[in-house]
Amino acid sequence: DTGVSQNPRHKITKRGQNVTFRCDPISEHNRLYWYRQTLGQGPEFLTYFQNEAQLEKSRLLSDRFSAERPKGSFSTLEIQRTEQGDSAMYLCASSLGGPEQFFGPGTRLTVL
Amino acid sequence: QKEVEQNSGPLSVPEGAIASLNCTYSDRGSQSFFWYRQYSGKSPELIMFIYSNGDKEDGRFTAQLNKASQYVSLLIRDSQPSDSATYLCAADNRGGADGLTFGKGTHLIIQP
Repeated sequence: DTGVSQNPRHKITKRGQNVTFRCDPISEHNRLYWYRQTLGQGPEFLTYFQNEAQLEKSRLLSDRFSAERPKGSFSTLEIQRTEQGDSAMYLCASSLGGPEQFFGPGTRLTVL
Repeated sequence: QKEVEQNSGPLSVPEGAIASLNCTYSDRGSQSFFWYRQYSGKSPELIMFIYSNGDKEDGRFTAQLNKASQYVSLLIRDSQPSDSATYLCAADNRGGADGLTFGKGTHLIIQP
């Protein structure tokens, strides 16, 4: 499978715990995006990498959120001190420089 | 504030008929427009994109763009029950540099 992959697919955690998600983009795609989607809403942009550089961050990305793409390949999104409001589907997308973005299957986070 | 507006539906269409999905956007600087299909519990899947005024056809799908009216539509011909899903409209105004702005989606039901 050469599509975007994300792990884990599901994560249940208790409030206050830290969680980390991983995204592996389509091979050779230099752009990588993170989005968050809650029920009944469209995806909301969180952050964007071009190669290893994080070039844009949404105001939605509070100080508890951090994302990295250390070698310009896979990316991680960490949420510290999770809150119930963080429960959502976290989506990763990649592109080859153009605006078309291809999404991975997502990681569904439930914060108890 | 960039916004993309869609009627949430549900939109119910008989099998074999044409389904018409509409979207408006607020940012005149938006350059490209995307239609994604999302099945319940799954991630968005890119159907097609358009960036020039007029129509763009791909199989049973036709995207239409009217920049003067800030209006985008998607027509699905010969609708099939498998087309039943939520359709997300998205706009891009910086060539992907700050992510896509999504609408909330229209829930489409194709009645057999």
